[in-house]
Amino acid sequence: GNSVTQMEGPVTLSEEAFLTINCTYTATGYPSLFWYVQYPGEGLQLLLKATKADDKGSNKGFEATYRKETTSFHLEKGSVQVSDSAVYFCALTGNQFYFGTGTSLTVIP
Amino acid sequence: GAGVSQSPRYKVAKRGQDVALRCDPISGHVSLFWYQQALGQGPEFLTYFQNEAQLDKSGLPSDRFFAERPEGSVSTLKIQRTQQEDSAVYLCASSLVVQGVESTDTQYFGPGTRLTVL
Repeated sequence: GNSVTQMEGPVTLSEEAFLTINCTYTATGYPSLFWYVQYPGEGLQLLLKATKADDKGSNKGFEATYRKETTSFHLEKGSVQVSDSAVYFCALTGNQFYFGTGTSLTVIP
Repeated sequence: GAGVSQSPRYKVAKRGQDVALRCDPISGHVSLFWYQQALGQGPEFLTYFQNEAQLDKSGLPSDRFFAERPEGSVSTLKIQRTQQEDSAVYLCASSLVVQGVESTDTQYFGPGTRLTVL
């Protein structure tokens, strides 16, 4: 069945460091892939998405590329800020949404 | 515009009590989803509505859980005879179009209801 495996956290980085959060998936068909972010005390928000192979989703300096050959959708950002501290969830669509377990990111000044 | 709203935001129940959690989706959204999010985990699917029809309830953990969306807008998740293992955040999400295997549509989430069963 469909599933998402996400890099375990927590991750702690200094401001302006490079971020990668790994996500791999198992799916039938051609799902869309998503990254959602949950800031402290807030609900889940869509960060970016990609709907087909080789698509790149981007938003707020974050990027992720839909790689069908490696079944991956890794999240990257070149220079993180303190305000990026949050929990990040990788997800894919099927008849329902399948979420990873989340990766907590803390960025320290 | 208004997003997805949920009420109450926090609910404390004694073991054995019944609870009802409400979700107001974005106006006009066809699809509505309920998820359960345990502490430190990702959301796990409970059930899905397309308008008023409950098309998938495969994620409901037991027959104590019941969801409805009688007029195709507001939805209620009811948990009967609550148990401690029901303690979690219950998330509601809606999307504009019909969900499907190759759906590209974004789900918009409410803030959740944190249920604590004592």
